[in-house]
Amino acid sequence: SQKIEQNSEALNIQEGKTATLTCNYTNYSPAYLQWYRQDPGRGPVFLLLIRENEKEKRKERLKVTFDTTLKQSLFHITASQPADSATYLCAPLRGATDSWGKLQFGAGTQVVVTP
Amino acid sequence: EPEVTQTPSHQVTQMGQEVILRCVPISNHLYFYWYRQILGQKVEFLVSFYNNEISEKSEIFDDQFSVERPDGSNFTLKIRSTKLEDSAMYFCASSEVTGVYGYTFGSGTRLTVV
Repeated sequence: SQKIEQNSEALNIQEGKTATLTCNYTNYSPAYLQWYRQDPGRGPVFLLLIRENEKEKRKERLKVTFDTTLKQSLFHITASQPADSATYLCAPLRGATDSWGKLQFGAGTQVVVTP
Repeated sequence: EPEVTQTPSHQVTQMGQEVILRCVPISNHLYFYWYRQILGQKVEFLVSFYNNEISEKSEIFDDQFSVERPDGSNFTLKIRSTKLEDSAMYFCASSEVTGVYGYTFGSGTRLTVV
């Protein structure tokens, strides 16, 4: 069955450092991979999408890589700030015509940025 | 920025009662979804809806669940006879196309079944 794995342990990081989160997937060939941020008691907020033919995508202080051979995506927050503290979810997505947009989420990795 | 609006934010109901959770998706979005998140667990897909019919549903979405788009703006999730295990945050989401440009989620309805 399809499986999405994210680090279950919280990532504690000092302000200004780079946080790197991992998303591994198995029994899957996603055409896209999305990353979301979730704050406690709130809905996920879309951050970035990367396509299978893209190696890297950037948005401000965020960077995502996608390695279809390793079946892995890495999510980086550079120059981290306390406001970046949240849970980050990865969500591989099969081709749009396959799945009608059914998005399956990993369990998420909590990031805690301390001043 | 356009938002997905969900009401109520919190609902407490007795086991066996029917509940309707309401959502107003973003106006130019065509695809609508319900997800749920049991406390401490991951966000789980329930159902997707397009062109006034269900596109896909998960195993969770059994005969007790139904969705409807009663008018041009609202999208509802009905649970006919609630169980204790239905207690969760329910999130509505919408997208322009099938999620390839990201989904917009609402803030959720916290459903507590007692």
